[in-house]
Amino acid sequence: DTGVSQDPRHKITKRGQNVTFRCDPISEHNRLYWYRQTLGQGPEFLTYFQNEAQLEKSRLLSDRFSAERPKGSFSTLEIQRTEQGDSAMYLCASSSPSWTGAGANVLTFGAGSRLTVL
Amino acid sequence: EDQVTQSPEALRLQEGESSSLNCSYTVSGLRGLFWYRQDPGKGPEFLFTLYSAGEEKEKERLKATLTKKESFLHITAPKPEDSATYLCAVQARSGGSYIPTFGRGTSLIVHP
Repeated sequence: DTGVSQDPRHKITKRGQNVTFRCDPISEHNRLYWYRQTLGQGPEFLTYFQNEAQLEKSRLLSDRFSAERPKGSFSTLEIQRTEQGDSAMYLCASSSPSWTGAGANVLTFGAGSRLTVL
Repeated sequence: EDQVTQSPEALRLQEGESSSLNCSYTVSGLRGLFWYRQDPGKGPEFLFTLYSAGEEKEKERLKATLTKKESFLHITAPKPEDSATYLCAVQARSGGSYIPTFGRGTSLIVHP
C-alpha cells in the first residue's frame, strides 16, 4: 500500500473557476477526512466520511464546497466559484476503526493539494 | 466547543538543548490526544496517542505526557533533523463521530 494519495499536488486557478481534488485513501480504511490548512495554522476540519456516508460537515464550510465518496473508496472535494480566500493546502486523511491502543483513529495524511487562486 | 492551544508558536534551539512544547485543551469527553509532526510541504505524520492523565509515550528523543488539562512534548538533546512543526490534536465525540481538532502548531528549529 502506498499510503494516502492526493491529486493534483498543485493547482493554480483564476477566481471564479471550479476546482476538484481527489483523494485515494489507504484501501482498508473506512474513515476519510478533509482538512484545510493555511500558512501558520493547524489543519481545519472540513468534512468526514464513514464508508460512503458523509457524517460530519464543518459549520464554517461554504455551500460552494462539496465532497463525495462514491462506493466508499476514493473521495473528491469540489470548490465552485473559487475565491482568493480559498487559497490553502487541502489535506485528506484516512483511518481505520480500531479502538485498541495507539491504533485508535490515528489519521494517515496525504501530502496535500495546494490551491492558489489568482 | 473544543479548543486546543499550543505554545510557544515558534521555538529555536541549539543542538543538544532540551525543551518542551505545550498543548492545553478544553474538551468534553476526551477520546485521545494526538501529536503529529509536519515537515514543510508535507502532510502531518503521526507520533503519539495519549488517552488518560498520567500516561506517557516515548520515541527516540521525544516523550509525550498528558494531564487533565494539557500535554507536553519533551524533546531531549534535539538534532537538526528534529526541525519541523509539531501539531497537537484532541478528539472527542461529535454526534456519532470522532473528529480530531488540531492546534496551530509549534514551529521548531534546531540549529547545529
